[in-house]
Amino acid sequence: AQSVAQPEDQVNVAEGNPLTVKCTYSVSGNPYLFWYVQYPNRGLQFLLKYITGDNLVKGSYGFEAEFNKSQTSFHLKKPSALVSDSALYFCAVTVNAGNMLTFGGGTRLMVKP
Amino acid sequence: GAVVSQHPSRVICKSGTSVKIECRSLDFQATTMFWYRQFPKQSLMLMATSNEGSKATYEQGVEKDKFLINHASLTLSTLTVTSAHPEDSSFYICSAHKTGARDTQYFGPGTRLTVL
Repeated sequence: AQSVAQPEDQVNVAEGNPLTVKCTYSVSGNPYLFWYVQYPNRGLQFLLKYITGDNLVKGSYGFEAEFNKSQTSFHLKKPSALVSDSALYFCAVTVNAGNMLTFGGGTRLMVKP
Repeated sequence: GAVVSQHPSRVICKSGTSVKIECRSLDFQATTMFWYRQFPKQSLMLMATSNEGSKATYEQGVEKDKFLINHASLTLSTLTVTSAHPEDSSFYICSAHKTGARDTQYFGPGTRLTVL
């Protein structure tokens, strides 16, 4: 079975500081990893994904994520947070293109001015 | 924790038939549920936002008459794929928005639709 853990319910960051939202996963096989963002009253929006290749993946809105196979992690990062980054962030994994995504519980990011 | 179920988990149907997929929030009420479609090797596509007691809001490019959504109660939303075709074969995932101390959404386990 595949699973995803987002250990933090909420992350608080001051505007301009770097942010990290943590995600660890468990799969049998090579993972496909995704990050999504949800703004209030909206559905999920795709941020970035890792399939193969470089461990550092760059995505929308200046976000990036680093795939670490040994630690089974795919943490989301941004060098300088904006107040407008405040939202819910979901990490998801599947083991190949033929399986359904499994989502983490979500992490609320709060960026304060 | 909050639980969202989907039924059926897997369905195979003939081309031209209709298929109904249910999404239930088992231990909380959800005024808003979302329906997504997952494409192979791609990320999720939001199909529509389902609001209890009102019409669903569809994303651009999603056919309202083909993907009928009904959110009849605070714990149940249904997606009906009408006149299904092989290109409709996909994973369909719902999520339910839970308000409160842990304001987040919970995802169903998904439904795999195969249209022959």
